[in-house]
Amino acid sequence: GENVEQHPSTLSVQEGDSAVIKCTYSDSASNYFPWYKQELGKRPQLIIDIRSNVGEKKDQRIAVTLNKTAKHFSLHITETQPEDSAVYFCAASSGYSSASKIIFGSGTRLSIRP
Amino acid sequence: NAGVTQTPKFQVLKTGQSMTLQCAQDMNHNSMYWYRQDPGMGLRLIYYSASEGTTDKGEVPNGYNVSRLNKREFSLRLESAAPSQTSVYFCASSRLAGGTDTQYFGPGTRLTVL
Repeated sequence: GENVEQHPSTLSVQEGDSAVIKCTYSDSASNYFPWYKQELGKRPQLIIDIRSNVGEKKDQRIAVTLNKTAKHFSLHITETQPEDSAVYFCAASSGYSSASKIIFGSGTRLSIRP
Repeated sequence: NAGVTQTPKFQVLKTGQSMTLQCAQDMNHNSMYWYRQDPGMGLRLIYYSASEGTTDKGEVPNGYNVSRLNKREFSLRLESAAPSQTSVYFCASSRLAGGTDTQYFGPGTRLTVL
C-alpha cells in the first residue's frame, strides 16, 4: 500500500527566512497531494494542494513542487511569520476509485524564531 | 454553517468500557472519515464512508466499528476500550470520494483510556 515519509520532523527558522518540508511517496499511481496545517490544539486545515498534472503551485507565500519521477513533493514557505508556527502534514492519494485512501505523513513541527 | 461537529470533546474511559463518538456535517458532503492522531504518527485513517450506505476499513480499523447513519452522520464505536486507544480522534468530510479533494475536519475528541 501507499507509504508517505515526511522530513524533517521538527524545523526551526528565523522569522523572515524560508522553510522547506519534504515528502516522499511510494505508490506511483498517487495523483493528489494536499498539505494541511494544524495549529496547537486545533483541527488540521488545508493550505495548498497539487495534482499530478502540475509541477508547481503557488499561493502568496506558500508553494508546493512535485517531482513525479522521483516521487517526492515539497512545501516551501517564504518570508516566514510567527503565525506560520504549526504542525504541517503532507498527504498522498491515488483517487482512482471511491475505495482509494489518503495517507498522511507523520508531520513537521515548524517553529518561527523572533 | 457549523461545518463538521463532533461530540464529546473529551472522554475518559476505563479499560473494557464502550462508547460511541458522534460526527455530523452540514455541507452535503458524500464522504466521511475517522482518523486518530498520536504524537509523532500523524493522522491515521480508521474507517471511511465513500457515500451514504457504504463503509470501508482504513489503516488501523482493529477495535473499532462505524455506522453511516445517513448522509450527515458518521459514528465511531469502541466496543471494549483499551489503553492503546488513547488518542485524539478527528472526523472529516469531503465532497468527493477517494481522498481527492479538500477534507474538512471536526474539532476532535480527546479520549483517554485508563
